[in-house]
Amino acid sequence: RKEVEQDPGPFNVPEGATVAFNCTYSNSASQSFFWYRQDCRKEPKLLMSVYSSGNEDGRFTAQLNRASQYISLLIRDSKLSDSATYLCVVNIWDTGRRALTFGSGTRLQVQP
Amino acid sequence: GAVVSQHPSRVICKSGTSVKIECRSLDFQATTMFWYRQFPKQSLMLMATSNEGSKATYEQGVEKDKFLINHASLTLSTLTVTSAHPEDSSFYICSARDLRDTEAFFGQGTRLTVV
Repeated sequence: RKEVEQDPGPFNVPEGATVAFNCTYSNSASQSFFWYRQDCRKEPKLLMSVYSSGNEDGRFTAQLNRASQYISLLIRDSKLSDSATYLCVVNIWDTGRRALTFGSGTRLQVQP
Repeated sequence: GAVVSQHPSRVICKSGTSVKIECRSLDFQATTMFWYRQFPKQSLMLMATSNEGSKATYEQGVEKDKFLINHASLTLSTLTVTSAHPEDSSFYICSARDLRDTEAFFGQGTRLTVV
């Protein structure tokens, strides 16, 4: 079983739609959580951290459910520029390992 | 935010040759850097953790004699792909965490094509 699992998509949505991505993680030692965005043939860039209380940044809302070990990302009023691959990322402090563990990514295509 | 610079961005080499990729943290000191590899339509897979002044820690299945990592200073880590073969063609990305470990910054990536 992968440590971080995501639906690969693609999610094809019209402009203005609301779309939600889910991600599950298997290691209960996971301590911090992030959503990264990766454009085609580019490096990943941090979209937002995910906090236990949930957090919002403009059109983006992230939620964390530790009991069920899943993370979500909600995008409201989708823009064409939101088209990208969204990576669910987990920091597992198992034995002091500081590297981030990435999900395989969910591809979003926003259509005019 | 912090900047990580990776060079070269693209390289084509002949099978059997070696390729060196550099990763620099430009405005912070990175005692630890991470090297990832990404095949088309797949996620980033951690190859190794590069520790300044000591040996790198390799992930299971990654050949340490093939992927040589050197982290000689707090701002520079290098990855050398030795005796490259076509199956080594991939997107290689380095990363460094900031001092608070709150965010990982990525280099621009190196697209390696072995012909």
